[in-house]
Amino acid sequence: DAKTTQPNSMESNEEEPVHLPCNHSTISGTDYIHWYRQLPSQGPEYVIHGLTSNVNNRMASLAIAEDRKSSTLILHRATLRDAAVYYCILSLLGETSGSRLTFGEGTQLTVNP
Amino acid sequence: GAGVSQSPSNKVTEKGKDVELRCDPISGHTALYWYRQSLGQGLEFLIYFQGNSAPDKSGLPSDRFSAERTGGSVSTLTIQRTQQEDSAVYLCASRFLAGGAYEQYFGPGTRLTVT
Repeated sequence: DAKTTQPNSMESNEEEPVHLPCNHSTISGTDYIHWYRQLPSQGPEYVIHGLTSNVNNRMASLAIAEDRKSSTLILHRATLRDAAVYYCILSLLGETSGSRLTFGEGTQLTVNP
Repeated sequence: GAGVSQSPSNKVTEKGKDVELRCDPISGHTALYWYRQSLGQGLEFLIYFQGNSAPDKSGLPSDRFSAERTGGSVSTLTIQRTQQEDSAVYLCASRFLAGGAYEQYFGPGTRLTVT
């Protein structure tokens, strides 16, 4: 599995945007970029995924570099509930093939009131 | 609707005993995964079931670990002769393999403590 690199921790203030970076310089052409987050004492929760184009959903936006060697998860207005560990994951995930998720250490996001 | 459920939520066992952990996936999800998370660590893949195909067991750390999935639904992870290093949170996830659905849905986990 291709490796991702994320900062160990980041801080943000409530109601401000947060940009969580992820480097994946060894990404292959068939790797999808997934983001999950894990709130304290809970299982991980899907946030967003993409392949080449930027993606938006109700939770966040995903900005993917043109060369796909990096991506940024954008939380438009951080809330206290967004404090969690955010994982950037590459996966050969197809529509009909399962493929595991390989979790790294993630980024611990702290949101200050 | 109902999410992925796991039982028990907590399990304390003595070293050398066997334990069984249960996962009830979301109804209709054909893919089921087991991961474990040691304290302060990221998740480690253990095993993956997809429909009637042979499971991907490549993540199981030793032959003391086994898992089965009966009837394409409920799964049981069994750890024989537990060791202290088996202490971790064991997480189950399921996924619907079609229709552009890519996300894995995780259960709350079973916290296993081996004393």
